[in-house]
Formats: sequence, structure tokens, C-alpha cells
Amino acid sequence: GAVVSQHPSWVICKSGTSVKIECRSLDFQATTMFWYRQFPKQSLMLMATSNEGSKATYEQGVEKDKFLINHASLTLSTLTVTSAHPEDSSFYICSARDLVAEQGLEAFFGQGTRLTVV
Amino acid sequence: AQSVAQPEDQVNVAEGNPLTVKCTYSVSGNPYLFWYVQYPNRGLQFLLKYITGDNLVKGSYGFEAEFNKSQTSFHLKKPSALVSDSALYFCASQSYNTDKLIFGTGTRLQVFP
Repeated sequence: GAVVSQHPSWVICKSGTSVKIECRSLDFQATTMFWYRQFPKQSLMLMATSNEGSKATYEQGVEKDKFLINHASLTLSTLTVTSAHPEDSSFYICSARDLVAEQGLEAFFGQGTRLTVV
Repeated sequence: AQSVAQPEDQVNVAEGNPLTVKCTYSVSGNPYLFWYVQYPNRGLQFLLKYITGDNLVKGSYGFEAEFNKSQTSFHLKKPSALVSDSALYFCASQSYNTDKLIFGTGTRLQVFP
């Protein structure tokens, strides 16, 4: 299957600073990328849908000014957690789909980023 | 509204025994259904999907799932469990008219030697 690389795998930052997480599709063009947040022992919560060249679509209750998403190319989307606070500590996962391809219904996931805000 | 239910938080099974992880869905129209597996501190790995066609779908690592429209279920099965199958399993659905995947709450599978 296709490979999605997410970086960094883990990050510790101080309260008030910003953290950028990258999601890259390595061997296919991802027309759409999704960002999820996962709390311990819970399911994935969709935060936003990112389409290349357009603004991200945020789910209800997700602050778009806090979680900035940029999908600058067909292989790269970034999530920036701005002015991070301890309650933003979580596991963030991206996924990418090539909706143009016949197999595009299948989502490929990055390995996740564990963010700890201290 | 679209939803996925995984009624069991945890399933325990002895190695070599068959396993079943349950999933039911509520989706308007014909659903697209998926199973993913997650190992600790990792992203999700695709196991199998049902889009159309045969109700029995075979996937990675010997797993299979049966789409049952009348019961709105898509249970994951494996004839003989391995200790290495121990992980967190997610069922997901997608309505035909949206890009979004909706995940169930996950079921932790524990296979004992």
C-alpha cells in the first residue's frame, strides 16, 4: 500500500509555543488529507479535512485559529498547533487519500505524532 | 447521522482459537466499510474494505469480514488467532456521498499464549 510519513513522531514543547506537524504522501498524490486527534483509549476524532490548494474544512468544535492546516502541495499537509497548552497534549494522526485513483477509497495513515505540552 | 458501533471494549481469545471483533453501522445509502488495526503509538494500518460485491471480504494477515446488510454488521474474523494479533482494532464507515471516515470506538484484542 501507499506510504504516508508523519513527522515528528513525538514532540515536547512549552506552553505558549507553536508546534508544526508534517504529513507527507511518499508515493502518491494526496488530493485530500485528514487530521485526527486521538485521546488515550479513545477513538479517532476528525479535526479537519484538507484539500490541496484550498482552505481546510474544520469539524464542529475545532478552533481553526488554533489548529492551522496548510495543504500546499499534493504531497504535503501541515498542522500547526498555535500557542499550545497542556490540554492540547494528545496523539495526532494524519491520513491521506488519492480520491482520483480507483483505489482511492482506502485511507493511508501516518505513524502519528505524540504531542506533550509542559 | 452516520455512526459506527463496536460494542466490545476488549476481546480476549486464546492463541489458535477463532476470533471475532464486532461492528455495526448506520449509514445512509450503500456503505463503504473498513477495518484498521493500530499498534501502540502508531498510526492505523489498513486491513480490509467492503465496497461492493461479495459479502465476505478477505484482507491482510489472514483476517476477513462479512458484510451483512440485514443486520447492518461488518464483523472482523480470523480462523486462528496469533499472539501478534493483539492490538487495537477500528471499524470505520464512509457514506457514498462524503469523503469522511467515521470510526468506531475501537476494540482491544488480546490474544493469550
